[in-house]
Amino acid sequence: GNSVTQMEGPVTLSEEAFLTINCTYTATGYPSLFWYVQYPGEGLQLLLKATKADDKGSNKGFEATYRKETTSFHLEKGSVQVSDSAVYFCALSFYNQGGKLIFGQGTELSVKP
Amino acid sequence: KAGVTQTPRYLIKTRGQQVTLSCSPISGHRSVSWYQQTPGQGLQFLFEYFSETQRNKGNFPGRFSGRQFSNSRSEMNVSTLELGDSALYLCASSLELAGVGTDTQYFGPGTRLTVL
Repeated sequence: GNSVTQMEGPVTLSEEAFLTINCTYTATGYPSLFWYVQYPGEGLQLLLKATKADDKGSNKGFEATYRKETTSFHLEKGSVQVSDSAVYFCALSFYNQGGKLIFGQGTELSVKP
Repeated sequence: KAGVTQTPRYLIKTRGQQVTLSCSPISGHRSVSWYQQTPGQGLQFLFEYFSETQRNKGNFPGRFSGRQFSNSRSEMNVSTLELGDSALYLCASSLELAGVGTDTQYFGPGTRLTVL
């Protein structure tokens, strides 16, 4: 079946460090890929997305590239801030499955000053 | 534009009771999806409604049901509550002008349900 696997957390970094959160997927077909972020006590916010192979999604300094050959969508940021502390979710969906998002298990990021 | 709103934000129920959660999508959005979030199972898709019809359904028992009204507001109902139903229930809406399920989903803050 279709699934998403993320690197286990928690991830603890110092401010201004480089961030990578790994995400790989298993899918029949060509899904759209997403990164969502959840701050404490809140719902999910879309961070970025990519809808086809080699697309790069970017937002607020975060980037991820849709790699079909490695079935990956790793999240990166060059310099993290304390305010980036949150849980990050990788997800996929198919155009013919409506609003159904399949999520990874989430990766908690903690950034220390 | 107001975001997705969910009511109530917190609920405490006892086993065997039933509960109804409400979701108001962003104005103009026609699709509403529901998800259950638990520490053990993570985020799982419950169902999606589009134009008052259930378009997709996840792998949950029949105790979980939902509906959508003509103004796109949605409710989900859980009957005969079990301890394992304790979770954060998230609602998401999307525009879906083309009606093919490709638009970005915007999430509400969730309803925290505790079953005692």
